[in-house]
Amino acid sequence: NAGVTQTPKFQVLKTGQSMTLQCAQDMNHEYMSWYRQDPGMGLRLIHYSVGAGITDQGEVPNGYNVSRSTTEDFPLRLLSAAPSQTSVYFCASRGWTEETQYFGPGTRLLVL
Amino acid sequence: SQQGEEDPQALSIQEGENATMNCSYKTSINNLQWYRQNSGRGLVHLILIRSNEREKHSGRLRVTLDTSKKSSSLLITASRAADTASYFCATDGTQAGTALIFGKGTTLSVSS
Repeated sequence: NAGVTQTPKFQVLKTGQSMTLQCAQDMNHEYMSWYRQDPGMGLRLIHYSVGAGITDQGEVPNGYNVSRSTTEDFPLRLLSAAPSQTSVYFCASRGWTEETQYFGPGTRLLVL
Repeated sequence: SQQGEEDPQALSIQEGENATMNCSYKTSINNLQWYRQNSGRGLVHLILIRSNEREKHSGRLRVTLDTSKKSSSLLITASRAADTASYFCATDGTQAGTALIFGKGTTLSVSS
């Protein structure tokens, strides 16, 4: 199993550009989540999904969209990037009967 | 707002010493989990303690949970340089379908 994969590893955007951060898992997990990690702030939940077709907002959802058309994929979209979205983004998943969460390696995003 | 708050924010010790970090949370939980993050990497699950448990051990790790005080502690015994990392507590709420909520983390530095 590849586990949780994220692409790209690093991205530089200009203010106002859009992009999609990809996340995929091959463990057939129902739950998937997106977090952002900023210095001194720990991990903050952006959006999460409890299954295909179901998504919900976390603590800091503004400026981000998600969709869950398949169990495997949970892309995070930035519609109009802002410097405040400069961060490291982590995707995570866990199974319905599991309590632990598996993390991807992260995407480092710089918005100029 | 974030559920967990770790204390201290940073901890520096010598190899062989014990490291203790604490976590406080705000709402009722099903379980509390500790994760480790090496610099520039994703988070890795260390240990989980359920709300009806008071203490749990795993190798050199000892976790305690006091639900009356809404607090937990992680003890790493006989620390090694390889334990240098950031440690996060995460709470799993009692409401079904919720994502894990993470604290801001404790940065542990173990010098040889």
